[in-house]
Amino acid sequence: AQSVTQPDIHITVSEGASLELRCNYSYGATPYLFWYVQSPGQGLQLLLKYFSGDTLVQGIKGFEAEFKRSQSSFNLRKPSVHWSDAAEYFCAVGYNDMRFGAGTRLTVKP
Amino acid sequence: GAVVSQHPSWVICKSGTSVKIECRSLDFQATTMFWYRQFPKQSLMLMATSNEGSKATYEQGVEKDKFLINHASLTLSTLTVTSAHPEDSSFYICSAETGTSGYNEQFFGPGTRLTVL
Repeated sequence: AQSVTQPDIHITVSEGASLELRCNYSYGATPYLFWYVQSPGQGLQLLLKYFSGDTLVQGIKGFEAEFKRSQSSFNLRKPSVHWSDAAEYFCAVGYNDMRFGAGTRLTVKP
Repeated sequence: GAVVSQHPSWVICKSGTSVKIECRSLDFQATTMFWYRQFPKQSLMLMATSNEGSKATYEQGVEKDKFLINHASLTLSTLTVTSAHPEDSSFYICSAETGTSGYNEQFFGPGTRLTVL
């Protein structure tokens, strides 16, 4: 069965610092992997997705993620965090019926 | 971009009453819509998948008689929580996709917070 694990429930970083959010998955075949961001009162917004090809995926808002098959990971990164990045981040796996991780809440310190 | 709306954004009801939540795709036709439930500080759990004009497919453990889903048009799906109880209090999120083959991006609504007293 497909599943997603986000080991970090809450992460706090200083504005301008780099960020890495972890995601591990379990999937029977080639995974389709996604990162979404959810801000209060907003719907989920797709940051980036991986289907195949280049394992380093560029997304919106300066985010990127790297697919590592050997580690079953799809970690999200950003070199310099902005205060507006504070939100809940979800990793998801699947195709048209997705399974979401528990989410990581990002707090940005001024 | 594709926009999905939900109405209402929040609702409070008494135990035993029914509540209807609407999900609309505003600028595209959605062949498939999904309903998710999100408990506080937890992830989204897929409840059901609905295709326009056909019965919804419910995930294991979701009571189809309690959570009635209707996808009557290509732009509207409704979720009715029947005889709601406090344990049904949650954040309900819908998503919509277009296309009939291959991968189609899901666009998510802003969610509806249901509180049952």
